Amino acid sequence: GAVVSQHPSRVICKSGTSVKIECRSLDFQATTMFWYRQFPKQSLMLMATSNEGSKATYEQGVEKDKFLINHASLTLSTLTVTSAHPEDSSFYICSAREGGGNTEAFFGQGTRLTVV
Amino acid sequence: AQSVTQPDIHITVSEGASLELRCNYSYGATPYLFWYVQSPGQGLQLLLKYFSGDTLVQGIKGFEAEFKRSQSSFNLRKPSVHWSDAAEYFCAVGTRGSYIPTFGRGTSLIVHP
Repeated sequence: GAVVSQHPSRVICKSGTSVKIECRSLDFQATTMFWYRQFPKQSLMLMATSNEGSKATYEQGVEKDKFLINHASLTLSTLTVTSAHPEDSSFYICSAREGGGNTEAFFGQGTRLTVV
Repeated sequence: AQSVTQPDIHITVSEGASLELRCNYSYGATPYLFWYVQSPGQGLQLLLKYFSGDTLVQGIKGFEAEFKRSQSSFNLRKPSVHWSDAAEYFCAVGTRGSYIPTFGRGTSLIVHP
């Protein structure tokens, strides 16, 4: 299958700072990327969907000013957690797909964010 | 809207024993169905998926799942579990026209030697 790479895999930051997480599709052009958040021992919750060159579509309850998503190219999307607080600590996972509605999306390995 | 129920939070099996993880979905039409596996601190790997056709789906690592429309179920099975199968398993449902899966809460598989 296709490869989606997330960086960094782990990050610790101080409260009040911002953190950027990158999601790259290594061997295909990702027209759509998805960002998920996973709390410990819980399921993945979709945060937002981004299409290359367009503004991201956020799920209800997700603060768009808090979680900035940029999908500037067909191989890169970034999630920036702004003014991070301890409650933002979580596991963030991206996925990417090349085509339209029924094409498979591939997942990155996730990023463990800890805000201290 | 679609939803997924994984009724078992934890499942414990002995190595070599058979395995069945339960998944029930709610969706008005024929769904897309998936099973993913997640090792600790890792992303998700697709085990298998059902879009249409044969209701018994073969996946990677010796897993299979059967779509039963009458029961709204898509249970995952493996005839003989290996210690390396210990992980979190997620069932997910997607709708026609949209791949975006909605995930169940997951089932943690513990394998005893």
